[in-house]
Amino acid sequence: NAGVTQTPKFQVLKTGQSMTLQCAQDMNHNSMYWYRQDPGMGLRLIYYSASEGTTDKGEVPNGYNVSRLNKREFSLRLESAAPSQTSVYFCASSDRAGVDIDTQYFGPGTRLTVL
Amino acid sequence: QKEVEQNSGPLSVPEGAIASLNCTYSDRGSQSFFWYRQYSGKSPELIMSIYSNGDKEDGRFTAQLNKASQYVSLLIRDSQPSDSATYLCAVRNNDMRFGAGTRLTVKP
Repeated sequence: NAGVTQTPKFQVLKTGQSMTLQCAQDMNHNSMYWYRQDPGMGLRLIYYSASEGTTDKGEVPNGYNVSRLNKREFSLRLESAAPSQTSVYFCASSDRAGVDIDTQYFGPGTRLTVL
Repeated sequence: QKEVEQNSGPLSVPEGAIASLNCTYSDRGSQSFFWYRQYSGKSPELIMSIYSNGDKEDGRFTAQLNKASQYVSLLIRDSQPSDSATYLCAVRNNDMRFGAGTRLTVKP
């Protein structure tokens, strides 16, 4: 039981390049999330998927797109990377029912640098 | 005004003391409240969740919620050097909003 996994762990991009961050969970959770974490800013929600087949914008969606590929996988795409997107990206998942309601479990993160 | 505010610290306490971490939030409709711990270079991990007014205890940790004052706190009793980390307060209404975190250092 790996929990939430993310690939890659580290990435360096040049301005204008594109890339996709991958996330998968094996906890059978319905909801999945993408956050970015910057120094002094805490975690900010980029996009989330409340259930398979749905996605919604979070607090800072500009410059990103997401795909909920199936119940397990939720990917984040940067179409044209900018230096302002240099950050640590975390994927999380949660179940919206039961005693564990709303608890989010985080992946190990992707450290992205855009030059 | 930020939606979830925390004192950034650093908060320094001696080993064995009580560490008190505070958080205020602006959305009165918030229903769920969480404390996460994050070690440097690692991902956040849940310590406590609290949904109703009052205290909730789990081992050395106590979460306190006061919805009328829009205030949630975390007390860590008998603090240990291994408790040194950044503590994130999170508040959920429609989506989850995190504070910027309080850095705690426990000195041996």
